[in-house]
Amino acid sequence: AQSVTQPDIHITVSEGASLELRCNYSYGATPYLFWYVQSPGQGLQLLLKYFSGDTLVQGIKGFEAEFKRSQSSFNLRKPSVHWSDAAEYFCAVVGESGTYKYIFGTGTRLKVLA
Amino acid sequence: EPEVTQTPSHQVTQMGQEVILRCVPISNHLYFYWYRQILGQKVEFLVSFYNNEISEKSEIFDDQFSVERPDGSNFTLKIRSTKLEDSAMYFCASRRVNEKLFFGSGTQLSVL
Repeated sequence: AQSVTQPDIHITVSEGASLELRCNYSYGATPYLFWYVQSPGQGLQLLLKYFSGDTLVQGIKGFEAEFKRSQSSFNLRKPSVHWSDAAEYFCAVVGESGTYKYIFGTGTRLKVLA
Repeated sequence: EPEVTQTPSHQVTQMGQEVILRCVPISNHLYFYWYRQILGQKVEFLVSFYNNEISEKSEIFDDQFSVERPDGSNFTLKIRSTKLEDSAMYFCASRRVNEKLFFGSGTQLSVL
């Protein structure tokens, strides 16, 4: 069965520091992978997606993610974090049913220190 | 960028009451979804809807839940008799063929 694991529940970084959020997936074929961000009281905003092609994907707000098939990973990175990046981040994979059912990870809550 | 609109943003109800959560998907989208997120937990799939019928539903989506597209623009989720454990943020989403999901900002349902 498809699954997504985000090993880090909480991460704290200082403003200006680099960031990497981990995501591992379990999927039988080439996955469609996504990163969403949820600010407090807000909905889910898509940061970036991977369908095929270049394994390094650029997203909004300066984020990027790299698809590594050999490691079943799709880690999210940002070279320099801003205080406004504090939020919860969800990795998701599209399920195998063909109906675009997204399977979400449990999320990583990012705290940014001034 | 076009948006999925959900109303209300916050709904409070008594246990056992019926609630209807409303969504206006993006106008040229064909596939519609409801997800929910219980506080502190991950976002969970509830149901997908296409061509005026449910195409897939999760085990969470029991007989207390129903969805409807009553006209050409709205997509609703009804919970017939709410339980305390139905308290969650409910997200509506829509998409076109082979494209990503657009999520609404959610309705926070509080069952007292």
